[in-house]
Amino acid sequence: AQSVTQPDIHITVSEGASLELRCNYSYGATPYLFWYVQSPGQGLQLLLKYFSGDTLVQGIKGFEAEFKRSQSSFNLRKPSVHWSDAAEYFCAVGRPNFGNEKLTFGTGTRLTIIP
Amino acid sequence: ETGVTQSPTHLIKTRGQQVTLRCSSQSGHNTVSWYQQALGQGPQFIFQYYREEENGRGNFPPRFSGLQFPNYSSELNVNALELDDSALYLCASSSSAGGGADTQYFGPGTRLTVL
Repeated sequence: AQSVTQPDIHITVSEGASLELRCNYSYGATPYLFWYVQSPGQGLQLLLKYFSGDTLVQGIKGFEAEFKRSQSSFNLRKPSVHWSDAAEYFCAVGRPNFGNEKLTFGTGTRLTIIP
Repeated sequence: ETGVTQSPTHLIKTRGQQVTLRCSSQSGHNTVSWYQQALGQGPQFIFQYYREEENGRGNFPPRFSGLQFPNYSSELNVNALELDDSALYLCASSSSAGGGADTQYFGPGTRLTVL
């Protein structure tokens, strides 16, 4: 069964500083990988996804993520955070060849931005 | 293009009651997935519907059931509500199932409180 680990429950970053959120997955082959963001009381918004090809993927709002097969990781990065980036971030794994019928999520990382 | 919508936004029920949550999929999408997100947790997959048939199910008891209609909208029904059913229920829609790189797009969720 697939699983996702987000080791950092809560991260605090100064506005304008760089950001990296960690995600490690467990899956028997190359999974589909996603990052979603959730503002308080809201649904999930897709930031970016990796299915195949270039291991560095660009997303919305200036985010990018890099798939590293050897480390089973898919870390999310942003060179300069804005106060509006404060939210909960979820990494998720989907299963190719199963119609992507099930996403398995990590427990999330809460991002706080300080002035 | 209309995104995924869910109703109602909030709901309060008592133990033992039954509840129905509704979801309208994004235009052009034929697949609906439901997730339960408990407070402070990542979403947990409940089940998915494709062409009005259940296409995968997570580790939830049979009192969680669903329907998909010809217009691809969907309902989640929960019988005999328990206190632990209190959560944010998220609906996600996608196009196609049974293979392929489909991405799930989420609605804003329904907050269910069981007293």
